[in-house]
Amino acid sequence: AQTVTQSQPEMSVQEAETVTLSCTYDTSESDYYLFWYKQPPSRQMILVIRQEAYKQQNATENRFSVNFQKAAKSFSLKISDSQLGDAAMYFCAYRSGASNTGKLIFGQGTTLQVKP
Amino acid sequence: GAVVSQHPSRVICKSGTSVKIECRSLDFQATTMFWYRQFPKQSLMLMATSNEGSKATYEQGVEKDKFLINHASLTLSTLTVTSAHPEDSSFYICSAGGQPPAPQHFGDGTRLSIL
Repeated sequence: AQTVTQSQPEMSVQEAETVTLSCTYDTSESDYYLFWYKQPPSRQMILVIRQEAYKQQNATENRFSVNFQKAAKSFSLKISDSQLGDAAMYFCAYRSGASNTGKLIFGQGTTLQVKP
Repeated sequence: GAVVSQHPSRVICKSGTSVKIECRSLDFQATTMFWYRQFPKQSLMLMATSNEGSKATYEQGVEKDKFLINHASLTLSTLTVTSAHPEDSSFYICSAGGQPPAPQHFGDGTRLSIL
């Protein structure tokens, strides 16, 4: 079975600085997708960024980028120029490419605090 | 973009009441929807996979008779918490989406409080 681990329950960053959130996963599959979701206090789940396992190039979305290390099964999220609105709980998630159901397996989450 | 609507957003009711939560895909058809449960400051735990026109697939440890799922159409799945008790109080959230690589889209969640 696949597992996703986020070892940082809480992180803090100064506004305008850069922070990296860690995520590791375990799988025997070669075809899969990885995601970072943001959950602000409103508890909406917001897709931040996604990575296809077959792509070697790291995904980027504006201030958000990932460091995808497939051999190490690591998928960290880097937030540059942190803003107060980035404060939220962040979840790393895994989705099998083999299954057509598309269910997500989530990590434990990391609460990010942004200090003004 | 694709939108998933979840209703109601907040429910407060007495112990023993059954509560129904709806999850609708507004602009796409979803043969599969997912129901998650989330306790405060914890992760989303998958409860079940809702399959249109067939029985739901429940995760290990989830009581099928307690959490009834119906997926009667391609745009609607319902979760009914039967004879709810205080320990069923939680945040329930649904998601739907196409097959990979299409992403999942989440409803805004339902905060259930059983008194």
